[in-house]
Amino acid sequence: EDQVTQSPEALRLQEGESSSLNCSYTVSGLRGLFWYRQDPGKGPEFLFTLYSAGEEKEKERLKATLTKKESFLHITAPKPEDSATYLCAVQATGGSYIPTFGRGTSLIVHP
Amino acid sequence: KAGVTQTPRYLIKTRGQQVTLSCSPISGHRSVSWYQQTPGQGLQFLFEYFSETQRNKGNFPGRFSGRQFSNSRSEMNVSTLELGDSALYLCASSLAAGGNTGELFFGEGSRLTVL
Repeated sequence: EDQVTQSPEALRLQEGESSSLNCSYTVSGLRGLFWYRQDPGKGPEFLFTLYSAGEEKEKERLKATLTKKESFLHITAPKPEDSATYLCAVQATGGSYIPTFGRGTSLIVHP
Repeated sequence: KAGVTQTPRYLIKTRGQQVTLSCSPISGHRSVSWYQQTPGQGLQFLFEYFSETQRNKGNFPGRFSGRQFSNSRSEMNVSTLELGDSALYLCASSLAAGGNTGELFFGEGSRLTVL
């Protein structure tokens, strides 16, 4: 069974204080790993797709990286508007391609 | 380009009642998936429809059902509501060309409260 574990569950940062969110996964074969951002009362918003170990994607202050067992979402010099819950999901090769989601990391950035 | 639209946004029901939620996908998207989101369980997959056919189903009881129409709009129904059905129900659409790409476009959800 595919498993996705995100840590920490919650993270509080001061504006400008860089940090990383972790997504550990167990899957028979990785087809893709996805990062989403979810604001309170809204649906998740797609951020990145990573397909193979060593791959990196960047968007503004966010950079996602991937190894064979985990992915990191690095947040550089965060701003209060980066406050949200960040969700990680994995899609396995073969069988059902339905993504399995982690429970997310709730990020709060204080001004 | 309009996003995924879900109605109603909020609703309150009592135990034993039934509810129908609606989802209009992004124009051109033929795949619609439904998820239940709760603080304790996170995002749980309910089912996926493509071209009016249910392609995948999650581990939910038969009280949860859905359908998709020829215009790709989808509805899900929950019968005999239980307190534990209180959740945010999210609809997501995707292009699903040759299979689900995993890049999902979510609506804002329908917040169901069961009393």
